[in-house]
Amino acid sequence: GIQVEQSPPDLILQEGANSTLRCNFSDSVNNLQWFHQNPWGQLINLFYIPSGTKQNGRLSATTVATERYSLLYISSSQTTDSGVYFCAVAGSARQLTFGSGTQLTVLP
Amino acid sequence: DAEITQSPRHKITETGRQVTLACHQTWNHNNMFWYRQDLGHGLRLIHYSYGVQDTNKGEVSDGYSVSRSNTEDLPLTLESAASSQTSVYFCASSPGGAGETQYFGPGTRLLVL
Repeated sequence: GIQVEQSPPDLILQEGANSTLRCNFSDSVNNLQWFHQNPWGQLINLFYIPSGTKQNGRLSATTVATERYSLLYISSSQTTDSGVYFCAVAGSARQLTFGSGTQLTVLP
Repeated sequence: DAEITQSPRHKITETGRQVTLACHQTWNHNNMFWYRQDLGHGLRLIHYSYGVQDTNKGEVSDGYSVSRSNTEDLPLTLESAASSQTSVYFCASSPGGAGETQYFGPGTRLLVL
């Protein structure tokens, strides 16, 4: 199956700083999603981005499918951005394979 | 609004008991999935279904079963609960085919004593 690696595993920032999270995958994909898991455990869809670039407020994502990686950018981070960020991919099958996540802590 | 719900949200049970976790979606999605989340493992696929009467095993299916009798529901059954099945369980759905956004339920926290 597809392997998914996320980096860094942990990230600590001061409020207002910018950050980049990376997701590498081992095979071609037709689905790539970024999720934020908040401190209450809820999984929130951030982006559906198997290729290209998308932006939503302070967050943006870019997937370079030919090079098998995706980046999630968080600008002007806020304490409410804290939590775990997951990348998940699917190839020809419909079920997602998740990475191990990046634990983000934003300090006030 | 269409949504995906899970019940119960929290459950404590004893080793050896049968437990069923409910998942209900109102989007009329064909695809439904069950994942479990454990510390250090991210989310792993237990079972999935591409439509009514269709069920398939995922990466960690041992000790679990599902049935799909209608479009809206995919209940997950632990036939004989074990302490190793203490976890957070997430249900998800997507419209159909490949390459479509999956939407996740709020999760069920299960503790097996």
